[in-house]
Amino acid sequence: QVQLVESGGGVVQPGRSLRLSCSASGFSISRYAMHWVRQAPGKGLECVAQIPFDGNKIVYADSVRGRFTISRDNSQNTVSLQMNSLTVEDTAVYYCATWAFTLGIDYWGQGTLVTVSS
Amino acid sequence: EVVLTQSPGTLSFSPGERATLSCRASQSVNTKFFVWYQQKHGRAPRVLIYATSSRATGIPDRFSGSGSGTDFTLTISRLEPEDFAVYYCQQYGSSPYTFGQGTKVEIK
Repeated sequence: QVQLVESGGGVVQPGRSLRLSCSASGFSISRYAMHWVRQAPGKGLECVAQIPFDGNKIVYADSVRGRFTISRDNSQNTVSLQMNSLTVEDTAVYYCATWAFTLGIDYWGQGTLVTVSS
Repeated sequence: EVVLTQSPGTLSFSPGERATLSCRASQSVNTKFFVWYQQKHGRAPRVLIYATSSRATGIPDRFSGSGSGTDFTLTISRLEPEDFAVYYCQQYGSSPYTFGQGTKVEIK
């Protein structure tokens, strides 16, 4: 059974850091680009970071560039998102996801809630 | 960055009606990399249509997609009760990947 399970969310003060993890099971992430997508309360979806299968040419949304770092460990089948200098605007559910639609792949985790509040 | 605009934000229909949702891009999008998602409250999105017009596995044929360039459409031919949800378009042909702001399809 394919699963993506995010962890590491919680409540954090503005300016602090948090590290999210995504653990994959039932498939190997090594062949796929991986993404972090967030959704602020009552708002739409935003791709915040994406990392290709080989870790090269990482892309960040303008809103997080310079503060967030995505990384992957194909041997551990995990993806991480290091979030620094958090602001209240970073409050959201963060989803780990991957897709390869022609292969029937569209995998999302259940999401982990990050709340930035003083 | 490719900005995707979905309008209107909310559409109201009765079950059985036909729904047409629009997504307009700020610049031309490769149709191979254009997707429609459905999201129900509190759940992760799921893909309905990829490559503009291909239905994902398990998606009923009442869902169809079309478009090219900057204008894309999702059509639900006959709304079922389970179709009332929020729909997002997405492009992943140009980095950063972007979503539209969503269209909520609600029961009239």
